[in-house]
Amino acid sequence: QKEVEQDPGPLSVPEGAIVSLNCTYSNSAFQYFMWYRQYSRKGPELLMYTYSSGNKEDGRFTAQVDKSSKYISLFIRDSQPSDSATYLCAMTLYNTDKLIFGTGTRLQVFP
Amino acid sequence: DAGITQSPRHKVTETGTPVTLRCHQTENHRYMYWYRQDPGHGLRLIHYSYGVKDTDKGEVSDGYSVSRSKTEDFLLTLESATSSQTSVYFCASADTSNYGYTFGSGTRLTVV
Repeated sequence: QKEVEQDPGPLSVPEGAIVSLNCTYSNSAFQYFMWYRQYSRKGPELLMYTYSSGNKEDGRFTAQVDKSSKYISLFIRDSQPSDSATYLCAMTLYNTDKLIFGTGTRLQVFP
Repeated sequence: DAGITQSPRHKVTETGTPVTLRCHQTENHRYMYWYRQDPGHGLRLIHYSYGVKDTDKGEVSDGYSVSRSKTEDFLLTLESATSSQTSVYFCASADTSNYGYTFGSGTRLTVV
């Protein structure tokens, strides 16, 4: 079993939809959680970063962490075709040197 | 990508030849990483560095070596390229993993 599980998709939604992307993990000691967005033929870029449990909002994006369920989510409101990309979750223990990545979910937003 | 560059962006090489990929960062980050990304596998860590001349293996290090002679430069060498090493290679850097990495734009390597 992988430490971090992520549905590969693809997830296809119409423009304007609310998108929910999710990851589960097995190590309850993870404390820092991130979401990366990766456009085709580009490197991953950090989208959201959260510490411990709770929600964090940034424009149309909300990152949610539920440590009791070992589950993190990224919500995208009013999705746009420009949101079409692969979204990778990542997480780490406190002050270690490596992130643990999910395999990524491919999202397609059609006009 | 601001602060971290990879070269070359694309390379085609023959089986059995040595290949070196370069990563350069201007963020003065302590940590640097080399990943490969393949369909169905996501990002897999090859090697990483936690300081000048300090490196360690990742989960898929066989067939690869690295060197870091300066804070800003991290080289990945395929000693004798094989077709299984055809992949997209990403370099990343960070001060600490707590706040995520900065990634380069990638090198697309094809071994024929």
